[in-house]
Amino acid sequence: QKEVEQNSGPLSVPEGAIASLNCTYSDRGSQSFFWYRQYSGKSPELIMSIYSNGDKEDGRFTAQLNKASQYVSLLIRDSQPSDSATYLCAVNSGGSNYKLTFGKGTLLTVNP
Amino acid sequence: GAVVSQHPSWVICKSGTSVKIECRSLDFQATTMFWYRQFPKQSLMLMATSNEGSKATYEQGVEKDKFLINHASLTLSTLTVTSAHPEDSSFYICSATGYSGGALAGETQYFGPGTRLLVL
Repeated sequence: QKEVEQNSGPLSVPEGAIASLNCTYSDRGSQSFFWYRQYSGKSPELIMSIYSNGDKEDGRFTAQLNKASQYVSLLIRDSQPSDSATYLCAVNSGGSNYKLTFGKGTLLTVNP
Repeated sequence: GAVVSQHPSWVICKSGTSVKIECRSLDFQATTMFWYRQFPKQSLMLMATSNEGSKATYEQGVEKDKFLINHASLTLSTLTVTSAHPEDSSFYICSATGYSGGALAGETQYFGPGTRLLVL
């Protein structure tokens, strides 16, 4: 069974710090990886996608992928209170329907 | 780009009635749509995957006769909760993948804002 594991948190960081969110996945054949942010009571919104080993940067966010270690992470620089949310890691294993397997999410709290 | 809408955003109904939720892709053609359910403080649970013009594929444990899914066009999918009961009260979210302007929008799933269902 394909699994995606995340530390449920909560992860608490001070404003301005770097928040590091981690995710591991079980299916070695996984091909694409996504980070979604979900505010309480809202639906998920896409933050980043990553497909190749290495780093991908978008503003304050950096996604890191290591397929050999089956590990994907999200770094948030200069964390803001508005970043407080649950972060969902999602993995696509290459099926034609693009079905995602989601982790249970990590709750991030950024303290002013 | 890649905007998905849902209607209604809130619905309250009596036990035994049926409720229809619409999911629309506003600026792209959604070849595949997904329906999720999320209970408070729990993770997303995929209910079914639907492709335009074909029958939906339901996840194990999801009753296909209770949760009717229709994906009749490239921009619209509907979820009908038949004979709703209080235990069906939840946050229902759709997502979509597909094409935009002829170019593949990729396998990224874009989520609608969700529909809160309360069955009394």
